[in-house]
Amino acid sequence: SQTIHQWPATLVQPVGSPLSLECTVEGTSNPNLYWYRQAAGRGLQLLFYSVGIGQISSEVPQNLSASRPQDRQFILSSKKLLLSDSGFYLCAWNLSWGARNTIYFGEGSWLTVV
Amino acid sequence: DQQVKQNSPSLSVQEGRISILNCDYTNSMFDYFLWYKKYPAEGPTFLISISSIKDKNEDGRFTVFLNKSAKHLSLHIVPSQPGDSAVYFCAAPSAYGANNLFFGTGTRLTVIP
Repeated sequence: SQTIHQWPATLVQPVGSPLSLECTVEGTSNPNLYWYRQAAGRGLQLLFYSVGIGQISSEVPQNLSASRPQDRQFILSSKKLLLSDSGFYLCAWNLSWGARNTIYFGEGSWLTVV
Repeated sequence: DQQVKQNSPSLSVQEGRISILNCDYTNSMFDYFLWYKKYPAEGPTFLISISSIKDKNEDGRFTVFLNKSAKHLSLHIVPSQPGDSAVYFCAAPSAYGANNLFFGTGTRLTVIP
């Protein structure tokens, strides 16, 4: 069966510091990968998606970036964090194109920028 | 522009009663809808879905109703249990681009024992 893991689960970072969140999917090949963010009192916002190694699309302008160095690895990064980057970050995956495909989420990572 | 909307941020229901969670959408091209359940500090988990060719889908205590003319769907939980207390998100797949989902802002359900 497929599993998805992301880490770290929680982190507190000062403003201006770098960020790296990692996500891996096991048990499948060539998944679509996603980074979502849930900010306080808001819904789930898609930040990045990737359909293959090295292929990254951004949905919103921001000071975050994403990379996909391997088929089942997705990394969310920032060179300098802002206070507004605080939130709950979720990695997710699914397999195929098409409108009727459920997305599966990781456990989430709480980021607090202080 | 929020294409999927959940206008009630919270809902409290007595244990054993019915919980009704509502969701509206603006894009008439959406033809598939999903509900996710999320506990604090955890990722959302898929709960139930409905295709636009149906107006009802049932799975145990959970039933989703779809009213295409009103661009409205609802999730019914009967009977509600304390373990159902969570945030519920409705979602619809993007019509273009990647196979991502548009999510509503969520409704926090509290089931009171």
